[in-house]
Amino acid sequence: EVQLVQSGAEVKKPGESLKISCTGSGYSFTTYWIGWVRQMPGKGLEWMGIIYPGDSDAKYSPSFEGQVTISVDKSISTAYLQWSSLKASDTAIYYCARPERGGYLQPFDFWGQGTLVTVSS
Amino acid sequence: EIVLTQSPGTLSLSPGERATLSCRASQSVGSSKFAWYQYIPGQAPRLLIYDASNRATGIPDRFSGSGSGTDFTLTISRLEPEDFAVYYCQQYGSSPGTFGQGTKVEIK
Repeated sequence: EVQLVQSGAEVKKPGESLKISCTGSGYSFTTYWIGWVRQMPGKGLEWMGIIYPGDSDAKYSPSFEGQVTISVDKSISTAYLQWSSLKASDTAIYYCARPERGGYLQPFDFWGQGTLVTVSS
Repeated sequence: EIVLTQSPGTLSLSPGERATLSCRASQSVGSSKFAWYQYIPGQAPRLLIYDASNRATGIPDRFSGSGSGTDFTLTISRLEPEDFAVYYCQQYGSSPGTFGQGTKVEIK
């Protein structure tokens, strides 16, 4: 069974750094892209970016390029989303998700449970 | 990037009724690379439809998708109590794979 398990909720202050994780199991981690999707409070879903664990090739939405970094550690089947300096506007639920088919432009068949990030002074 | 506009914003219907949700793209979506998701607060989104008209694994046949180019539709033939949720469209024909703003289907 494919599972994506995300790290727990975080409460941070503006300016702090943060790295959240998404661990995949039940499949060959290095052969499927993993993406990140943001949902701000009361808002819709936003495609942030996606990474191929096999070679760490990452693609970003222009809206998020330079604002976050997506990375992987394939030795532990884990993808990461990180910020170097959080803002209050980063408060959101962040989902990792995986397509079933090859290529980075695919729908997301499998989803993590979401990580709530709250940024407040 | 392609902007997706969903309508209506909210759909108020009774169980057993038919729901028709629309999504319009700001430019043509290549190869009908279009998906629909169901979102229930507190849960992860669930893929319903991919490639505009194909049901994802385990999705009941009361859900159907249609459309091409810039206009796409999700139809729920007979609403069940568990179908009252928010529905998002997504295009993945060009990067970034943008989502619509959502349509809430609520109980009338």
